[in-house]
Amino acid sequence: AQSVSQHNHHVILSEAASLELGCNYSYGGTVNLFWYVQYPGQHLQLLLKYFSGDPLVKGIKGFEAEFIKSKFSFNLRKPSVQWSDTAEYFCAVMSYNTDKLIFGTGTRLQVFP
Amino acid sequence: DADVTQTPRNRITKTGKRIMLECSQTKGHDRMYWYRQDPGLGLRLIYYSFDVKDINKGEISDGYSVSRQAQAKFSLSLESAIPNQTALYFCATKGGETQYFGPGTRLLVL
Repeated sequence: AQSVSQHNHHVILSEAASLELGCNYSYGGTVNLFWYVQYPGQHLQLLLKYFSGDPLVKGIKGFEAEFIKSKFSFNLRKPSVQWSDTAEYFCAVMSYNTDKLIFGTGTRLQVFP
Repeated sequence: DADVTQTPRNRITKTGKRIMLECSQTKGHDRMYWYRQDPGLGLRLIYYSFDVKDINKGEISDGYSVSRQAQAKFSLSLESAIPNQTALYFCATKGGETQYFGPGTRLLVL
C-alpha cells in the first residue's frame, strides 16, 4: 500500500531562518506529488505540485520543492521563513493508477518573530 | 465566492444521532471527495465519487454513507454518530490532477 511519511512533526523557527520539511513516499510507479498548506483555522490550499519535467518546482509564497526519484522524496524548502508561514504543511501523493490522494500526517511549523 | 462550500461549518451532536454534512461546488468538476482530519493522522479518505452514478469507499468508510445528489452536491451522513467521529471533515473536488478543498466542518460528538 502507498504511504507518505513526514518525519518532522513540529518545527519551530525564527523569522529569516531557512526551512526544509521532509517528505518520503512508498510507491514504485509514476506519481504526482503535492504540498498543501493549512493556515490556522483555514482549509487546505495547494502550495505546489509536481507532475513531470523539471524536478525542482516552485510554488506560491517563495516555497519550492525538489523531487528526487531515487530517494522517493519530495522535500519542501524556503530560504527565509516569515511569521506568516506559521501553518501546518501536508505532503500528498497520487499514483497514476488510482484516484486517491494519500496524505502524510502533517508538519506543524511555528515561526517566531 | 468560494468554489467549494461546506455546511454547517461547526456542529455539535449527541451519540446516536444522525447528521448530514453538505458540500457544494461551482467548479464543474465530476470528482468529489470526503476526508476527515484528526490531529497527528493527517487526512484520511472516507468516500469519493467520480460522477453522480459512481460512488466508492475510501479507507475509513465504516459508519458513514454518502449521497451524490447532483454534479455539484455531495453529502456525507453519519447514520448513528459516535464520539470517535469527532473530527474536522473536508470535502474536495478534483480538476485535472489537483484537488481543491472546502473550508471544513468541525464536528463534535458528545
